[in-house]
Amino acid sequence: DTAVSQTPKYLVTQMGNDKSIKCEQNLGHDTMYWYKQDSKKFLKIMFSYNNKELIINETVPNRFSPKSPDKAHLNLHINSLELGDSAVYFCASSQVGGRSYEKLFFGSGTQLSVL
Amino acid sequence: QKEVEQNSGPLSVPEGAIASLNCTYSDRGSQSFFWYRQYSGKSPELIMFIYSNGDKEDGRFTAQLNKASQYVSLLIRDSQPSDSATYLCAVNPGNQFYFGTGTSLTVIP
Repeated sequence: DTAVSQTPKYLVTQMGNDKSIKCEQNLGHDTMYWYKQDSKKFLKIMFSYNNKELIINETVPNRFSPKSPDKAHLNLHINSLELGDSAVYFCASSQVGGRSYEKLFFGSGTQLSVL
Repeated sequence: QKEVEQNSGPLSVPEGAIASLNCTYSDRGSQSFFWYRQYSGKSPELIMFIYSNGDKEDGRFTAQLNKASQYVSLLIRDSQPSDSATYLCAVNPGNQFYFGTGTSLTVIP
């Protein structure tokens, strides 16, 4: 019944490894997002996809590659992990990106720790 | 990233008092405004949204918007210890959601 679900909840890995986070929403929304939240609670947009197409890429290193196989799924693959990648990553979705009256719903987050 | 600014706090209020949280934004084209509550270790949860100038009330929460001053606030009446959380202001200028750094609120029993 979870509206926006992401896995795994925790991810602990070594520097240099490659990892993926998966996200799925069952709200029927057209737009999905990845946000990064640092230790100071700042939520920074990373990517936005509308109906499987990338619409926002906010100066994220190309080690981060989102993939949207369909509009209900948005996965995040990270290559060559660095210490600075440690953060909480939130997937989110909203109905019809581009309109201002839509609300954003979040997944439960993935705590990534790079050692 | 569009600028959304909040006083990071921490803000402490006694139980039963009114907590006032403030947010300013830089993009005059912003059209919708949101308040999210985030408990420690949890995801942000939408508690209020407002699109028009003025006040909007929902239970103990009141959102206030002044587009001319580019200012949005959240009032929490009769604050409860369960209101202790980080409150995130978000602004949508039409194609994206931008967040402030959040205000940490502690309600003291």
